Amino acid sequence: KQEVTQIPAALSVPEGENLVLNCSFTDSAIYNLQWFRQDPGKGLTSLLLIQSSQREQTSGRLNASLDKSSGRSTLYIAASQPGDSATYLCAVNSNNDMRFGAGTRLTVKP
Amino acid sequence: KAGVTQTPRYLIKTRGQQVTLSCSPISGHRSVSWYQQTPGQGLQFLFEYFSETQRNKGNFPGRFSGRQFSNSRSEMNVSTLELGDSALYLCASSLVGPQETQYFGPGTRLLVL
Repeated sequence: KQEVTQIPAALSVPEGENLVLNCSFTDSAIYNLQWFRQDPGKGLTSLLLIQSSQREQTSGRLNASLDKSSGRSTLYIAASQPGDSATYLCAVNSNNDMRFGAGTRLTVKP
Repeated sequence: KAGVTQTPRYLIKTRGQQVTLSCSPISGHRSVSWYQQTPGQGLQFLFEYFSETQRNKGNFPGRFSGRQFSNSRSEMNVSTLELGDSALYLCASSLVGPQETQYFGPGTRLLVL
């Protein structure tokens, strides 16, 4: 059974800092991995989707990497802004069974 | 292009009642997945529908059921509600399945008293 872990559970940084969020999974036989952000009381917004054959994906200030062999993915956020404050979730898709991590709550202070 | 819509947005029920939640996917999307989010368990997969057929199912009791219509709209039903069913219920749509980018609705917040 796939298990997904996100560390740290919470992170607070000053505006402008670069930061890395971590996601690890136990079964390397995955189809893809997706990063989402969730604002309080809201649904999820897809940020990046990495297929199992890819090593990384980039969108604006966001870069996600995938290392299947070690069961890890990282989400790199450059030049953080207060608007980046949210909970970030990674989701691993194995055989159409989506497993989510518990998320990292990010606070970016002005 | 309109996003995923869910109705109602908020719902209060009492134990033992049943509830039906609705999800309208993005136009052209044929896959709809349902998730339950609680503070204790996080986000958990309920089931996925594609072309009116349940294709995948998570580890939830039979009180949780769903269906999909020919226009890809989906409903989920919870019978004999329990206090622990209080949660944010999210649906997500994609063109053909969770192997692609999933687009989430705003969710229905259910409170069971």
